[in-house]
Amino acid sequence: GAVVSQHPSWVICKSGTSVKIECRSLDFQATTMFWYRQFPKQSLMLMATSNEGSKATYEQGVEKDKFLINHASLTLSTLTVTSAHPEDSSFYICSARGVFWSYNEQFFGPGTRLTVL
Amino acid sequence: GDSVTQMEGPVTLSEEAFLTINCTYTATGYPSLFWYVQYPGEGLQLLLKATKADDKGSNKGFEATYRKETTSFHLEKGSVQVSDSAVYFCALIYKILGGSEKLVFGKGTKLTVNP
Repeated sequence: GAVVSQHPSWVICKSGTSVKIECRSLDFQATTMFWYRQFPKQSLMLMATSNEGSKATYEQGVEKDKFLINHASLTLSTLTVTSAHPEDSSFYICSARGVFWSYNEQFFGPGTRLTVL
Repeated sequence: GDSVTQMEGPVTLSEEAFLTINCTYTATGYPSLFWYVQYPGEGLQLLLKATKADDKGSNKGFEATYRKETTSFHLEKGSVQVSDSAVYFCALIYKILGGSEKLVFGKGTKLTVNP
């Protein structure tokens, strides 16, 4: 199957700093990428959907100025957590879908564990 | 909105034991149902799916049947192996206003299989 990578796999930062997480599709062109967030013992919650070359669509309750998403190429999307605070500590997962794929044909990255001190 | 409820783990079994992970859903209409698996250090992978009532999805010895009458999609395997140790997520896709779709996940169930 298609491969999606995330970098870094884990990151620890101080409160108030910004953190960038990369999501790459390694062997296919991802026209759509999704960013999810997972708290311990909770479901994956969709944060936003990004289509290459256009602005991301954020889910209700997700602050677009805090979670900046850029999908500038067909193989890379980035999520930047700006001015991170301890409550932003979570597991962030991206997924990617190629052109003409059905919605459930998303390939997921391994996730990034963010800890904000 | 639509939602998925799956049994809480963790689940610990011995090799060759029978596995059931319960999943029920709440939905308007008829969603497609999925089981995803996440092995340690890897991304979620689609394990199996069913798109309409009475469909049975199967893969790698795992099975799940779409039961509309009980709104369930329980995951079963007759004889688990150590390599099945992973986190399993039940999920559904539903259409929202405007025709777009959304994946909704359960909380995940961690399975550990001991030799």
